[in-house]
Amino acid sequence: AQRVTQPEKLLSVFKGAPVELKCNYSYSGSPELFWYVQYSRQRLQLLLRHISRESIKGFTADLNKGETSFHLKKPFAQEEDSAMYYCALSIQAGTALIFGKGTTLSVSS
Amino acid sequence: DVKVTQSSRYLVKRTGEKVFLECVQDMDHENMFWYRQDPGLGLRLIYFSYDVKMKEKGDIPEGYSVSREKKERFSLILESASTNQTSMYLCASRPNGLAGGTDTQYFGPGTRLTVL
Repeated sequence: AQRVTQPEKLLSVFKGAPVELKCNYSYSGSPELFWYVQYSRQRLQLLLRHISRESIKGFTADLNKGETSFHLKKPFAQEEDSAMYYCALSIQAGTALIFGKGTTLSVSS
Repeated sequence: DVKVTQSSRYLVKRTGEKVFLECVQDMDHENMFWYRQDPGLGLRLIYFSYDVKMKEKGDIPEGYSVSREKKERFSLILESASTNQTSMYLCASRPNGLAGGTDTQYFGPGTRLTVL
């Protein structure tokens, strides 16, 4: 069965430190991967998707099919990055995304 | 800009009550979804619909039903609310899109339901 695993419930870092939020997936086909973010009292929103190969708010993520991973990285964390981050998998256009359990990122000064 | 709205941000109901959660999207998306979001459990899919009057069970459909009479509206119904249904409920919509993923899911603000 398809699955998304985010091994860390909570990641605490200091401002300016590098950040890596881990995401692994299980799917035998050609996946589409997304990262969603939920800031305090805001709705869940798309942060980035692997096919775009873009950097959003300094975050990047590379799909590694060999390791079935899609880790989210940022070289220098900011306090405003504190939020809940979800990794999600799509196996077909239009269908429900499969979400991981989420990682809370806490950035302190 | 896609807009997904939910009828209530906060709702308090009593055990045994019938509860309706409404969701409306304005982008003519074919597909709509209901998730519940719980700490440590992430987002779990309750039901989804890929067309008017069509519905499919998700991972945790027990105790819930849905209705989709119009393309823009997707309702979640708790037939007899129980305390273990206290949760944050998220509605989402998604276009059929193109193969290769030019689409994504758009979420509503959520309804925080408390069942006493």
